[in-house]
Amino acid sequence: DQQVKQNSPSLSVQEGRISILNCDYTNSMFDYFLWYKKYPAEGPTFLISISSIKDKNEDGRFTVFLNKSAKHLSLHIVPSQPGDSAVYFCAAGTDKLIFGTGTRLQVFP
Amino acid sequence: DAGVIQSPRHEVTEMGQEVTLRCKPISGHNSLFWYRQTMMRGLELLIYFNNNVPIDDSGMPEDRFSAKMPNASFSTLKIQPSEPRDSAVYFCASSLVLGQGIEAFFGQGTRLTVV
Repeated sequence: DQQVKQNSPSLSVQEGRISILNCDYTNSMFDYFLWYKKYPAEGPTFLISISSIKDKNEDGRFTVFLNKSAKHLSLHIVPSQPGDSAVYFCAAGTDKLIFGTGTRLQVFP
Repeated sequence: DAGVIQSPRHEVTEMGQEVTLRCKPISGHNSLFWYRQTMMRGLELLIYFNNNVPIDDSGMPEDRFSAKMPNASFSTLKIQPSEPRDSAVYFCASSLVLGQGIEAFFGQGTRLTVV
């Protein structure tokens, strides 16, 4: 039973354009949501988070949107850069984090 | 701080052998998590500890898996006996209290191959 779902296994975007990564969750008790970025042979690194009391959080080129009624989370990267190419995991939880299956983003020149 | 330290980075073992993965969390963190990464299930939570006490082990796949945290600076994940389907990357992560704007920090993982 996958409580956090990332339905797009991969995404390809041109440099300078917007990347939109999506995530859906099923547990309405989740109160904290995060995005992690993972390069090959490394552990996931924290990117940005949002609590359930907010609907948007922005950090530079990265913005996370939360739609609680739809149980949907998205990450916007604008403008996208080749160095953003990685696997992105969304995570949700309270005292523990449940992760999705990841979306591989490729940013091409 | 050196971050979360996992050892070994790579482990190749024969089916039926015992495997022990090790983790040193970030000093001062009071929560520790073990995850397994597979293509099908992504990052799967196996078990987590709070203040060295196991809180939720519902993700541990079978009795062959066990985890301990004897003190605040060390944890182990043991698989006995190991099977080829256990092959995956295992991550350890630590954090202060989640849900208060504080994220979990991950180690670099242990790539386990069971042949």
